[in-house]
Amino acid sequence: GQNIDQPTEMTATEGAIVQINCTYQTSGFNGLFWYQQHAGEAPTFLSYNVLDGLEEKGRFSSFLSRSKGYSYLLLKELQMKDSASYLCAVDPGFQKLVFGTGTRLLVSP
Amino acid sequence: DSGVTQTPKHLITATGQRVTLRCSPRSGDLSVYWYQQSLDQGLQFLIQYYNGEERAKGNILERFSAQQFPDLHSELNLSSLELGDSALYFCASSPTFGASSYNEQFFGPGTRLTVL
Repeated sequence: GQNIDQPTEMTATEGAIVQINCTYQTSGFNGLFWYQQHAGEAPTFLSYNVLDGLEEKGRFSSFLSRSKGYSYLLLKELQMKDSASYLCAVDPGFQKLVFGTGTRLLVSP
Repeated sequence: DSGVTQTPKHLITATGQRVTLRCSPRSGDLSVYWYQQSLDQGLQFLIQYYNGEERAKGNILERFSAQQFPDLHSELNLSSLELGDSALYFCASSPTFGASSYNEQFFGPGTRLTVL
């Protein structure tokens, strides 16, 4: 079976740093994606990891440990517009993405 | 704007009815994916097409079917609708398909289906 776990909700303050964790158990692994989704809108791509380590992209970084089935998304210098759901998704093969239920992040002033 | 278009944006219908959702992928993308997102649920993969052929199936009900046409647009048909089918339906596209390649999926704006 396929299982992806993320915290349901997190809160943080503007300007702070927040780490959103994701653990997964899937039948195969061809990469892990992070998407951002504002309420009622389409998910937008943030990052992709297939090898262990940290990928940095501006204020956002994503980390992967394949042996632990673990990833995190790190958001720095939080802004109000970062309030959204963050979806962790694994490609178990052939790009058939399996999504977690998402972590709703609320950024307060 | 991802370049993926979906119509209609909103659809309200009654139980037992049949509807068709339409998706046009980004120019040049050969793969189309359909997802369902119910309230407080994650995105559930339904089905994938590549260049007109079905490639992968997820948790798609037998009442649901899809196809991809020669011009690469895709349609998702939902029949004998039930209240529980109310959800956001997203289409995504990517350039290619394959176990050894990585291609970001670009999502359309979605169709919000309400079954009354």
